[in-house]
Amino acid sequence: SAVISQKPSRDICQRGTSLTIQCQVDSQVTMMFWYRQQPGQSLTLIATANQGSEATYESGFVIDKFPISRPNLTFSTLTVSNMSPEDSSIYLCSVDGQGAGTDTQYFGPGTRLTVL
Amino acid sequence: GQNIDQPTEMTATEGAIVQINCTYQTSGFNGLFWYQQHAGEAPTFLSYNVLDGLEEKGRFSSFLSRSKGYSYLLLKELQMKDSASYLCAPLSGAGSYQLTFGKGTKLSVIP
Repeated sequence: SAVISQKPSRDICQRGTSLTIQCQVDSQVTMMFWYRQQPGQSLTLIATANQGSEATYESGFVIDKFPISRPNLTFSTLTVSNMSPEDSSIYLCSVDGQGAGTDTQYFGPGTRLTVL
Repeated sequence: GQNIDQPTEMTATEGAIVQINCTYQTSGFNGLFWYQQHAGEAPTFLSYNVLDGLEEKGRFSSFLSRSKGYSYLLLKELQMKDSASYLCAPLSGAGSYQLTFGKGTKLSVIP
């Protein structure tokens, strides 16, 4: 399986600021995904990060609020912009396992964000 | 749209067997995943079913019936460390890797 790291692991931020979360994979992967998991809830897909093109956002999520970069096949960033307390959540990146020879999605350790 | 239903909580005794059910309705279907998530941690992959039937992997087995939109995860010889949330996630759309997660079943294993 792919080894995925995320930075930062956690952060506490002030309302109105922005935070960029990094996701690094140890092998080249075709698909990278960003999820949000609010307290006590399951995972919700924010967007699919496409290498060389704009991210594909799910209903309820927009690029201005969650800009995403995917400069190469091993790295992606998600920015949470103009944060409010409602953005307090765990943000997880995941990758499809095609680069590692499987079709499974593997998850990074997550970034726990608290907005005051 | 997607609709995934699984029990919110379950309790079982150490050493016993527990079955966690999941029913789903998706627009397109490309397989179903089960993930385990311990509190405060990321989900970890347990199983993937794309054909009808039972897939066995050690103490964990997963069953799929595509015609019924139904899956279950079977955990045998329960251990205390199996206390976690178990997430059912159908994969929708041909050629797509978009997972939709259920709300998860929180399993508590008691002595």
